[in-house]
Amino acid sequence: AQTVTQSQPEMSVQEAETVTLSCTYDTSESDYYLFWYKQPPSRQMILVIRQEAYKQQNATENRFSVNFQKAAKSFSLKISDSQLGDAAMYFCAYVYNNNDMRFGAGTRLTVKP
Amino acid sequence: GAVVSQHPSWVICKSGTSVKIECRSLDFQATTMFWYRQFPKQSLMLMATSNEGSKATYEQGVEKDKFLINHASLTLSTLTVTSAHPEDSSFYICSASEAGLGTDTQYFGPGTRLTVL
Repeated sequence: AQTVTQSQPEMSVQEAETVTLSCTYDTSESDYYLFWYKQPPSRQMILVIRQEAYKQQNATENRFSVNFQKAAKSFSLKISDSQLGDAAMYFCAYVYNNNDMRFGAGTRLTVKP
Repeated sequence: GAVVSQHPSWVICKSGTSVKIECRSLDFQATTMFWYRQFPKQSLMLMATSNEGSKATYEQGVEKDKFLINHASLTLSTLTVTSAHPEDSSFYICSASEAGLGTDTQYFGPGTRLTVL
């Protein structure tokens, strides 16, 4: 079974600084998708970034980028120039073939002004 | 684009009654819709996967007779909690995958908070 592990229950970052959230996963598949979702206090799940496993290039979306290490099964999220609005729960997720998405336990990010 | 709505956003009901939650994809056709449950300060737990026109596939431990799912069209799925009890109180979230893209990306609704008295 595929599992997703987020080892950091909570993280804190100073406004304008950079923070990295960790995620590891376990799979025997070679072609799959990885995601980072943000869940602010409103509880609306927002797609932050998506990575296709067959692509070696790390995905980026403005201030958000990932470090995808396929052999190590690692998928960390880097947030640059952190803003107060980045404060939220961040979930790492894995999907293979049949759209059955598995989530990690989440990391609560606090941004200090 | 890729907006998913849920209705109602919150509902309070008496124990023993049934509650229906709607999930709609507003600007795309969704081949597959998903229903999740989320307890406070916890991750999302997949309850079931539904494909338009066919029966939903339930995760192990989820009672299909209690949580009825209907996916009658490419833009609408409903979750009915039958004979609700206080332990069914939770935050329910739906998501949808856009037909034909093959990206496996799910777009989430805003969630429905259910409180059973």
